[in-house]
Order: sequence, then structure tokens, then C-alpha cells
Amino acid sequence: DIQMTQSPSSLSASVGDRVTITCQASQDISNYLNWYQQKPGKAPKLLIYDASNLETGVPSRFSGSGSGTDFTFTISSLQPEDIATYYCQQYDNLALTFGGGTKVEIK
Amino acid sequence: QVQLVQSGAEVKKPGASVKVSCKASGYTFTSYAMHWVRQAPGQRLEWMGWINAGNGNTKYSQKFQGRVTITRDTSASTAYMELSSLRSEDTAVYYCARRQVGATRYYYYYYMDVWGKGTTVTVSS
Repeated sequence: DIQMTQSPSSLSASVGDRVTITCQASQDISNYLNWYQQKPGKAPKLLIYDASNLETGVPSRFSGSGSGTDFTFTISSLQPEDIATYYCQQYDNLALTFGGGTKVEIK
Repeated sequence: QVQLVQSGAEVKKPGASVKVSCKASGYTFTSYAMHWVRQAPGQRLEWMGWINAGNGNTKYSQKFQGRVTITRDTSASTAYMELSSLRSEDTAVYYCARRQVGATRYYYYYYMDVWGKGTTVTVSS
């Protein structure tokens, strides 16, 4: 199975800060990488698909980049409503794995 | 609107089985696959498997192979996930999620675009 290593596991930032999360795959996954946001007690919500495509209706402060084994998720200007845990997820041969998650808090 | 409605919370004893349902509405059920994902308390999301709602083909995570069965009833637009030989470590929230497919000139890509609210399964003696 492909392993996804996500870092950091948690971070604290101020409103308006730029926040960056990385996800590394144990082998080449091309662009097969999605990003989800999960708020406490809620189901995950898709933000980015195919590494860099913004889901319809998602604010443009969210973005994704990367290919192969190294991927980056960015919030350009952190807002209070962005407090959540963020997960990367890969699919290879139609089997999926998630990263360990990054909990984002407001400083 | 597109919606996935899951069955209610379950409490099971170790060794028992649980079957969780996921009723789809607002789209053509057989045109999409359905994933099942679980999340133990304080843990990461964990993919269990998926079913092609059109032809019933399934693919399971190696971790759950032999213990999980995903089925569907097209007449009811409902997918099911049954997990057997339950143990305390199976205590988790279980989610269904619709698989969306996109295409570029060179490849297909997949993601989960609609999620159910989750079903809490507690395994306790």
C-alpha cells in the first residue's frame, strides 16, 4: 500500500497568515491527490481534487500543488472558519489512503 | 439536491456483525461508485472499500479483506457496508461517500464529492 506522510500534524497561526501543509507519497502517484477539510463532528469536505483543482464553491484562498511524490496545500490568508483538520488522500489502482491529518488552530 | 442518508448509531458486542446503510437521492445511483471510510476516535480517516453501484463490482482495502462486505440495492438506491467479527478497535464513525470521476485528455481522476453524515458504531461488551 502507498503510505501518505502529512506534515505538520498540527499548527497554530494567526488570522491572515499563510498556512502550508505538505503531503509526501511513498511512491509516485502522479496527480492522484485530493485534499479534504474536516471540522469536529462533521464529515470531510472536498476542497482540492487532482492535486490542484479547486472544488466548485470553495474559496480561492485554498490551493494545492505538486505531482509525483510531493504535494502542498496552502491557505493564503487564514480565516477563523478555516479551523479544522485537513487530510490529503491518494488513489492508486483505485485503492485509497489518507494522510495523518493536520489540525489547524488560531493563535 | 444530492444527498446520502446513513442509518442510525449501532452498539454491538465483540464478535458480532454490523450492517450500515447509505441511501442516495438527487442523482442516478447506478451511475456512480460509493466508498466507505471510517474514523476511529481521534484517528485518521481510513478507507475500507468501494462498490460500483452500476454493476456491483467491489474493491476492498487489504486491511479489511475477509471481514467487510459492501453491497447495494439499486431498487432502493442504497449501499450497504457489513463488517463482521467486530472488536473494540472497530469502534468508529463510518461514512459513505460518492465517488466522482473526471477526465483530462490523458487520464481519469477520482475524488469523493458527497459524504453522508456518518454512522457511529460502538463495539463494547
